[in-house]
Amino acid sequence: EVQLLESGGGLVQPGGSLRLSCAASGFTFSSYAMSWVRQAPGKGLEWVSAISGGAGGSNYADSVKGRFTIFRDSSKNTLFLQMNSLRAEDTAVYFCAATPVSSGWYYFDYWGQGTLVTVSS
Amino acid sequence: QTVVTQEPSFSVSPGGTVTLTCGLSSGSVSTSYYPSWYQQTPGQAPRTLIHSTNTRSSGVPNRFSGSILGSKAALTITGAQADDESDYYCVLYMGSGVRVFGGGTKLTVL
Repeated sequence: EVQLLESGGGLVQPGGSLRLSCAASGFTFSSYAMSWVRQAPGKGLEWVSAISGGAGGSNYADSVKGRFTIFRDSSKNTLFLQMNSLRAEDTAVYFCAATPVSSGWYYFDYWGQGTLVTVSS
Repeated sequence: QTVVTQEPSFSVSPGGTVTLTCGLSSGSVSTSYYPSWYQQTPGQAPRTLIHSTNTRSSGVPNRFSGSILGSKAALTITGAQADDESDYYCVLYMGSGVRVFGGGTKLTVL
Protein backbone atom coordinates (compact mmCIF):
# COMPACT_ATOMS: atom_id res chain seq x y z
CA GLU A 1 0.00 0.00 0.00
CA VAL A 2 1.33 3.41 -0.98
CA GLN A 3 1.78 5.70 2.01
CA LEU A 4 2.98 9.29 2.13
CA LEU A 5 3.48 10.88 5.54
CA GLU A 6 4.27 14.58 5.77
CA SER A 7 5.92 16.21 8.76
CA GLY A 8 7.77 19.38 9.72
CA GLY A 9 4.92 21.86 9.69
CA GLY A 10 4.41 24.40 12.44
CA LEU A 11 4.40 28.07 13.35
CA VAL A 12 7.17 30.25 11.94
CA GLN A 13 7.71 34.00 11.86
CA PRO A 14 7.70 35.95 8.61
CA GLY A 15 11.12 35.78 7.01
CA GLY A 16 11.87 32.49 8.72
CA SER A 17 12.62 29.03 7.34
CA LEU A 18 11.09 25.59 7.63
CA ARG A 19 11.83 22.21 6.12
CA LEU A 20 9.00 19.82 5.32
CA SER A 21 9.49 16.08 4.92
CA CYS A 22 7.40 13.42 3.21
CA ALA A 23 8.25 9.82 4.07
CA ALA A 24 7.22 7.42 1.32
CA SER A 25 6.57 3.69 1.55
CA GLY A 26 4.86 0.93 -0.41
CA PHE A 27 6.39 1.76 -3.79
CA THR A 28 9.74 2.12 -5.56
CA PHE A 29 10.57 5.69 -4.62
CA SER A 30 13.00 6.34 -7.48
CA SER A 31 10.34 5.37 -10.04
CA TYR A 32 8.00 8.11 -8.91
CA ALA A 33 8.01 11.82 -9.52
CA MET A 34 7.13 13.75 -6.38
CA SER A 35 5.28 17.02 -5.89
CA TRP A 36 4.19 19.49 -3.23
CA VAL A 37 0.71 21.00 -3.39
CA ARG A 38 -0.64 23.48 -0.84
CA GLN A 39 -4.00 24.76 0.28
CA ALA A 40 -4.42 28.02 2.17
CA PRO A 41 -7.21 28.06 4.78
CA GLY A 42 -10.58 28.10 3.02
CA LYS A 43 -8.95 28.33 -0.41
CA GLY A 44 -8.28 26.05 -3.36
CA LEU A 45 -5.34 23.83 -4.18
CA GLU A 46 -2.11 25.31 -5.55
CA TRP A 47 0.76 23.38 -7.14
CA VAL A 48 4.04 24.40 -5.50
CA SER A 49 6.86 22.26 -6.88
CA ALA A 50 7.74 18.93 -8.49
CA ILE A 51 10.84 16.79 -8.88
CA SER A 52 11.33 13.90 -11.28
CA GLY A 53 12.32 10.38 -10.27
CA GLY A 54 15.91 9.53 -9.40
CA ALA A 55 18.10 12.64 -9.40
CA GLY A 56 16.06 14.44 -12.00
CA GLY A 57 15.06 18.02 -12.55
CA SER A 58 12.69 20.18 -10.56
CA ASN A 59 10.14 22.89 -11.25
CA TYR A 60 8.49 25.60 -9.15
CA ALA A 61 5.45 27.82 -9.17
CA ASP A 62 6.30 31.48 -9.69
CA SER A 63 4.97 32.25 -6.20
CA VAL A 64 7.77 30.26 -4.52
CA LYS A 65 10.58 30.35 -7.08
CA GLY A 66 13.83 31.45 -5.50
CA ARG A 67 12.55 30.85 -1.95
CA PHE A 68 11.64 27.15 -1.90
CA THR A 69 13.81 24.17 -2.84
CA ILE A 70 12.52 20.66 -3.47
CA PHE A 71 14.84 17.70 -3.13
CA ARG A 72 14.70 14.00 -2.41
CA ASP A 73 16.82 11.43 -0.57
CA SER A 74 16.36 8.04 -2.20
CA SER A 75 18.35 6.30 0.54
CA LYS A 76 15.65 7.38 3.00
CA ASN A 77 12.67 7.30 0.60
CA THR A 78 11.95 10.85 1.64
CA LEU A 79 10.94 14.03 -0.16
CA PHE A 80 11.78 17.43 1.25
CA LEU A 81 10.73 21.04 0.78
CA GLN A 82 13.09 23.67 2.13
CA MET A 83 11.14 26.88 2.59
CA ASN A 84 13.03 30.15 3.14
CA SER A 85 11.94 33.79 3.39
CA LEU A 86 8.48 32.69 4.42
CA ARG A 87 5.57 35.07 4.05
CA ALA A 88 2.09 35.18 5.55
CA GLU A 89 0.67 34.07 2.22
CA ASP A 90 2.63 30.82 2.48
CA THR A 91 0.32 29.76 5.32
CA ALA A 92 -1.33 26.55 4.13
CA VAL A 93 -1.64 22.82 4.47
CA TYR A 94 1.13 21.30 2.40
CA PHE A 95 0.44 17.95 0.72
CA CYS A 96 3.00 15.73 -0.94
CA ALA A 97 1.95 13.68 -3.94
CA ALA A 98 3.51 10.88 -5.99
CA THR A 99 3.12 9.90 -9.65
CA PRO A 100 4.72 7.03 -11.56
CA VAL A 101 7.34 8.43 -13.92
CA SER A 102 6.29 5.86 -16.50
CA SER A 103 2.85 7.46 -16.86
CA GLY A 104 4.24 10.93 -17.35
CA TRP A 105 4.25 13.16 -14.34
CA TYR A 106 1.61 15.60 -15.49
CA TYR A 107 -0.75 14.80 -12.65
CA PHE A 108 -0.80 13.69 -9.02
CA ASP A 109 -1.57 10.03 -8.30
CA TYR A 110 -1.13 9.37 -4.56
CA TRP A 111 -1.52 11.92 -1.80
CA GLY A 112 -0.40 12.35 1.78
CA GLN A 113 -2.62 13.78 4.49
CA GLY A 114 -0.81 17.10 4.69
CA THR A 115 1.06 19.19 7.24
CA LEU A 116 0.05 22.70 8.33
CA VAL A 117 2.45 25.60 7.99
CA THR A 118 1.50 28.86 9.69
CA VAL A 119 3.54 31.99 9.03
CA SER A 120 2.73 34.62 11.63
CA SER A 121 4.39 36.91 14.14
CA GLN B 1 -0.73 34.91 -16.87
CA THR B 2 -3.09 32.16 -17.96
CA VAL B 3 -5.83 31.28 -15.48
CA VAL B 4 -7.53 27.89 -15.30
CA THR B 5 -11.26 28.42 -14.93
CA GLN B 6 -13.93 26.27 -13.26
CA GLU B 7 -17.52 26.92 -12.29
CA PRO B 8 -17.51 28.10 -8.64
CA SER B 9 -20.50 25.97 -7.79
CA PHE B 10 -22.92 23.48 -9.27
CA SER B 11 -25.83 21.45 -8.03
CA VAL B 12 -27.24 18.11 -9.14
CA SER B 13 -30.13 15.95 -8.03
CA PRO B 14 -29.46 12.48 -6.68
CA GLY B 15 -29.30 10.11 -9.65
CA GLY B 16 -28.77 12.95 -12.06
CA THR B 17 -25.92 13.73 -14.41
CA VAL B 18 -23.64 16.74 -14.10
CA THR B 19 -20.75 17.98 -16.21
CA LEU B 20 -18.11 20.20 -14.66
CA THR B 21 -15.73 22.06 -16.96
CA CYS B 22 -12.14 23.28 -16.91
CA GLY B 23 -11.11 26.03 -19.27
CA LEU B 24 -8.44 28.60 -19.95
CA SER B 25 -8.73 32.36 -19.64
CA SER B 26 -7.04 32.47 -23.03
CA GLY B 27 -7.20 29.65 -25.51
CA SER B 28 -8.63 26.15 -25.63
CA VAL B 29 -7.90 23.09 -23.56
CA SER B 30 -6.72 20.07 -25.53
CA THR B 31 -5.35 16.66 -24.62
CA SER B 32 -1.88 18.24 -24.77
CA TYR B 33 -2.66 19.84 -21.42
CA TYR B 34 -3.14 16.35 -19.90
CA PRO B 35 -6.15 17.49 -17.85
CA SER B 36 -6.67 15.71 -14.55
CA TRP B 37 -9.46 15.86 -11.96
CA TYR B 38 -9.48 15.60 -8.15
CA GLN B 39 -12.19 15.27 -5.53
CA GLN B 40 -11.77 16.76 -2.07
CA THR B 41 -14.03 16.83 0.96
CA PRO B 42 -13.33 19.32 3.79
CA GLY B 43 -10.37 18.42 5.95
CA GLN B 44 -9.31 15.56 3.71
CA ALA B 45 -6.56 15.03 1.18
CA PRO B 46 -7.54 15.21 -2.48
CA ARG B 47 -8.46 12.01 -4.27
CA THR B 48 -7.39 11.50 -7.87
CA LEU B 49 -10.31 10.72 -10.19
CA ILE B 50 -9.16 11.20 -13.77
CA HIS B 51 -5.81 11.83 -15.47
CA SER B 52 -4.63 12.34 -19.03
CA THR B 53 -8.07 13.63 -20.03
CA ASN B 54 -10.06 10.42 -19.61
CA THR B 55 -8.12 7.73 -17.70
CA ARG B 56 -9.81 6.77 -14.45
CA SER B 57 -7.53 6.23 -11.48
CA SER B 58 -7.57 2.91 -9.69
CA GLY B 59 -10.75 2.30 -7.74
CA VAL B 60 -12.70 5.19 -9.22
CA PRO B 61 -16.26 4.20 -10.21
CA ASN B 62 -17.06 4.30 -13.91
CA ARG B 63 -19.77 6.88 -13.30
CA PHE B 64 -16.92 9.40 -13.31
CA SER B 65 -15.64 10.14 -16.79
CA GLY B 66 -13.40 12.72 -18.41
CA SER B 67 -13.42 14.25 -21.86
CA ILE B 68 -12.78 17.33 -23.96
CA LEU B 69 -16.00 19.21 -24.71
CA GLY B 70 -15.51 22.02 -27.15
CA SER B 71 -12.72 24.18 -25.81
CA LYS B 72 -12.72 22.78 -22.27
CA ALA B 73 -11.89 19.67 -20.34
CA ALA B 74 -14.91 18.11 -18.70
CA LEU B 75 -15.71 15.82 -15.79
CA THR B 76 -19.06 14.08 -16.02
CA ILE B 77 -20.70 12.34 -13.09
CA THR B 78 -23.50 10.01 -14.15
CA GLY B 79 -25.96 8.90 -11.49
CA ALA B 80 -24.80 11.33 -8.81
CA GLN B 81 -24.80 10.06 -5.24
CA ALA B 82 -24.96 11.93 -1.95
CA ASP B 83 -21.32 11.26 -1.19
CA ASP B 84 -20.30 12.91 -4.46
CA GLU B 85 -20.95 16.20 -2.69
CA SER B 86 -17.39 17.59 -2.65
CA ASP B 87 -15.06 20.13 -4.13
CA TYR B 88 -13.69 19.20 -7.55
CA TYR B 89 -10.45 20.55 -8.97
CA CYS B 90 -8.89 20.24 -12.38
CA VAL B 91 -5.19 20.54 -13.18
CA LEU B 92 -3.66 21.45 -16.52
CA TYR B 93 -0.05 20.85 -17.51
CA MET B 94 1.16 24.13 -18.98
CA GLY B 95 4.55 22.89 -20.21
CA SER B 96 8.05 23.48 -18.83
CA GLY B 97 7.12 21.44 -15.78
CA VAL B 98 4.38 23.83 -14.65
CA ARG B 99 1.02 22.53 -13.45
CA VAL B 100 -1.88 24.84 -12.65
CA PHE B 101 -4.99 24.10 -10.61
CA GLY B 102 -8.36 25.53 -11.41
CA GLY B 103 -10.17 27.39 -8.66
CA GLY B 104 -12.40 24.41 -7.92
CA THR B 105 -16.11 23.68 -8.18
CA LYS B 106 -18.23 23.08 -5.10
CA LEU B 107 -20.76 20.39 -6.04
CA THR B 108 -23.97 20.09 -4.07
CA VAL B 109 -26.15 17.00 -4.38
CA LEU B 110 -29.74 17.85 -3.45
